[in-house]
Amino acid sequence: SQTIHQWPATLVQPVGSPLSLECTVEGTSNPNLYWYRQAAGRGLQLLFYSVGIGQISSEVPQNLSASRPQDRQFILSSKKLLLSDSGFYLCAWSVRGQRNTIYFGEGSWLTVV
Amino acid sequence: AQSVTQLDSQVPVFEEAPVELRCNYSSSVSVYLFWYVQYPNQGLQLLLKYLSGSTLVKGINGFEAEFNKSQTSFHLRKPSVHISDTAEYFCAVSLNSGYSTLTFGKGTMLLVSP
Repeated sequence: SQTIHQWPATLVQPVGSPLSLECTVEGTSNPNLYWYRQAAGRGLQLLFYSVGIGQISSEVPQNLSASRPQDRQFILSSKKLLLSDSGFYLCAWSVRGQRNTIYFGEGSWLTVV
Repeated sequence: AQSVTQLDSQVPVFEEAPVELRCNYSSSVSVYLFWYVQYPNQGLQLLLKYLSGSTLVKGINGFEAEFNKSQTSFHLRKPSVHISDTAEYFCAVSLNSGYSTLTFGKGTMLLVSP
């Protein structure tokens, strides 16, 4: 069966520091991959999605970036964090070619102080 | 573009009572519809989905939802809730064309008390 893991689960970072959140999917090939952010009272916001290695689409302009160095690996990064980057970050995947169900990882709590 | 509205930010209910969480969507094309549940400090878990066929969809944990195209709604129901159903519930929609990206509602917090 397919599994998705993301880490770290919790992160406290000072303003201006870099960020790296990592996500890997197992048990499937060529998945679509996604990064969502959940801020308090604002639902879920799609940040990035990827349909293949090196192919990244950004939904929201900001100081975050994403990369997909391997088929089942998706990384969310920032060079300099802002206070507004605090939130719950969720990695997700869906089956390539299927226009439906997205499956989520456990999430990563980021607090920028 | 599609959008989702969850009319209630919070729904308090007593244990063993029925509950309905409301969801309305807007889209100019056909859609797929989903309900996800999020327990505290966890990721989202798929409860149920409507892709096509029967408009009444049954999911996990005794939940069901009905797709109503004329009213553009996809309300979630459970005939008898448990304390363990306390969680946040998200309705989501995706277009049935192209790759799947979900648009989420802002969530409804279901609070079940004894």
